[in-house]
Amino acid sequence: QKEVEQDPGPLSVPEGAIVSLNCTYSNSAFQYFMWYRQYSRKGPELLMYTYSSGNKEDGRFTAQVDKSSKYISLFIRDSQPSDSATYLCAMITPSGGSYIPTFGRGTSLIVHP
Amino acid sequence: DAGVTQSPTHLIKTRGQQVTLRCSPKSGHDTVSWYQQALGQGPQFIFQYYEEEERQRGNFPDRFSGHQFPNYSSELNVNALLLGDSALYLCASSFHAATGTYEQYFGPGTRLTVT
Repeated sequence: QKEVEQDPGPLSVPEGAIVSLNCTYSNSAFQYFMWYRQYSRKGPELLMYTYSSGNKEDGRFTAQVDKSSKYISLFIRDSQPSDSATYLCAMITPSGGSYIPTFGRGTSLIVHP
Repeated sequence: DAGVTQSPTHLIKTRGQQVTLRCSPKSGHDTVSWYQQALGQGPQFIFQYYEEEERQRGNFPDRFSGHQFPNYSSELNVNALLLGDSALYLCASSFHAATGTYEQYFGPGTRLTVT
């Protein structure tokens, strides 16, 4: 079993839909949780991060962490075709002052007009 | 302000050869991490350099080595290439003393194909 599990998709939705992307994890030591967006042929771009259970909102994006269930989600409201990308969750166990993320495999999102 | 840059963009090598990939960090950053991203997978951590020393290493063989220069730029070297080394190699930079060095900025990557 991988430490971080993420459905690869693809997830196809119409423009304007609410998108829900999810990851589960097995390592209780994870303390930081992040979501990256990766466009084709580009490097990952940090979207959001959080270190506590609950919700964190930034514009159309909401990150949700449930540590008791070891489950994190990213919600995208009013999805746009420009949101079409691969979304990677990542988690960190701080170790010796160094923060090395463990990534999920990514979910491919397609938003069609 | 230039972000993280990597060179070359693409590279094709033959099994058994050696390759060197290069990375320049974002301005103001002093820490460089390297990742391998196979097709359809998330990035896998290779190693991290700070103050010209390897500080942490992931589960990669010694064929993978690196270097950081005084200007914080970095190289990734891979010897005795295998077909399985074909991947996108990502460089990420961060500021070591910043609160939460998880704030890494990734470059566009180098696509390595081993034939």
